[in-house]
Amino acid sequence: QQQVKQSPQSLIVQKGGIPIINCAYENTAFDYFPWYQQFPGKGPALLIAIRPDVSEKKEGRFTISFNKSAKQFSLHIMDSQPGDSATYFCAARAGNFNKFYFGSGTKLNVKP
Amino acid sequence: DTGVSQDPRHKITKRGQNVTFRCDPISEHNRLYWYRQTLGQGPEFLTYFQNEAQLEKSRLLSDRFSAERPKGSFSTLEIQRTEQGDSAMYLCASSSSQGNTGELFFGEGSRLTVL
Repeated sequence: QQQVKQSPQSLIVQKGGIPIINCAYENTAFDYFPWYQQFPGKGPALLIAIRPDVSEKKEGRFTISFNKSAKQFSLHIMDSQPGDSATYFCAARAGNFNKFYFGSGTKLNVKP
Repeated sequence: DTGVSQDPRHKITKRGQNVTFRCDPISEHNRLYWYRQTLGQGPEFLTYFQNEAQLEKSRLLSDRFSAERPKGSFSTLEIQRTEQGDSAMYLCASSSSQGNTGELFFGEGSRLTVL
């Protein structure tokens, strides 16, 4: 059973557009929700993260919106650039030793 | 520090052979993880070490898989009698228990192809 469900599987936007990637979870024990960015041939790298006591977090052009009651969170990329083209994974942490469950990923293509 | 390094980056083997992957974490990190990633999927947790102790092992990990972290520094992941279904990217990650920032630092992975 997939612990974190992510959509869409792929996304194409024009430069300057605002892609939105959504994730949902069921386990209320999750206490930390990061987003990772992965380029081909590379390992995932942390992009931005949020804790469930906060409804929104911004870092540069990246924003996480978090809805605790709905058990959903999303990533928004403002003013997207071709260099943002990558695969994005949401994740959720259970327990205090950093055991993460990852979504299935969203492949983003930002066209010039 | 150069981050998490993994070796080899690519391994092609025949079914039934044994393979071993090595991970060198960031030096001050006491936590080390192995994840498996198949095409089009997110990383799946395999196992976790705190220092040299293996504290959790996923049910995904069959008896053919074994991981060690003998001195709490580097780790190895061995797959015995490989099967075609083992073909995947094996990712190592490390983190620190200090500060509880929750960030995992991933290596670039070891890609396994079983023919």
